[in-house]
Amino acid sequence: KAGVTQTPRYLIKTRGQQVTLSCSPISGHRSVSWYQQTPGQGLQFLFEYFSETQRNKGNFPGRFSGRQFSNSRSEMNVSTLELGDSALYLCASTDRDRELFFGEGSRLTVL
Amino acid sequence: AQKITQTQPGMFVQEKEAVTLDCTYDTSDPSYGLFWYKQPSSGEMIFLIYQGSHDQQNATEGRYSLNFQKARKSANLVISASQLGDSAMYFCAMRLQGAQKLVFGQGTRLTINP
Repeated sequence: KAGVTQTPRYLIKTRGQQVTLSCSPISGHRSVSWYQQTPGQGLQFLFEYFSETQRNKGNFPGRFSGRQFSNSRSEMNVSTLELGDSALYLCASTDRDRELFFGEGSRLTVL
Repeated sequence: AQKITQTQPGMFVQEKEAVTLDCTYDTSDPSYGLFWYKQPSSGEMIFLIYQGSHDQQNATEGRYSLNFQKARKSANLVISASQLGDSAMYFCAMRLQGAQKLVFGQGTRLTINP
């Protein structure tokens, strides 16, 4: 089975721009969640989708949004980028109430 | 609220030695799962081992074992016969039963010296 695939792996944006990150889960996994990792705040939960519905959301401003498609692929969007949004964004998928399987992440740099 | 504490920011170990990475957790929920992940410099979070709160025995996966002490709320990871490839960040995490998110600790950077 292919693992979780995230694109793009690296990207550079400037303040005020927006960005869309993509995640393809492991085949058969219907739950996809997103995490932000920064040196200062560590790993923080953004949101989780299951069967195209957002089930849970972390404590992030409304500039952070996401969606899930019928094939379970997910995207997250960050609008009006700020310097503090520079981070590694990790996507994870699962098919049960146990371990999450993560992708390699999308490393965003905001200049 | 749930919290995971990893008190060792960094550890240095000689190759082939065993190493214990500490993790304590805090929750009032009776049902939860505890996880350890490894993150090499590439960024990917690699699942290592899982322990359920109601599991009677400590979990083991190859060279990884989890020393689960429920009364002390600790879930230490033990790596036996360490290898150079074990050098990475290690994260302890918790997930409440039915919840959709993992709560992570701050991580421990493990360096294996030849």
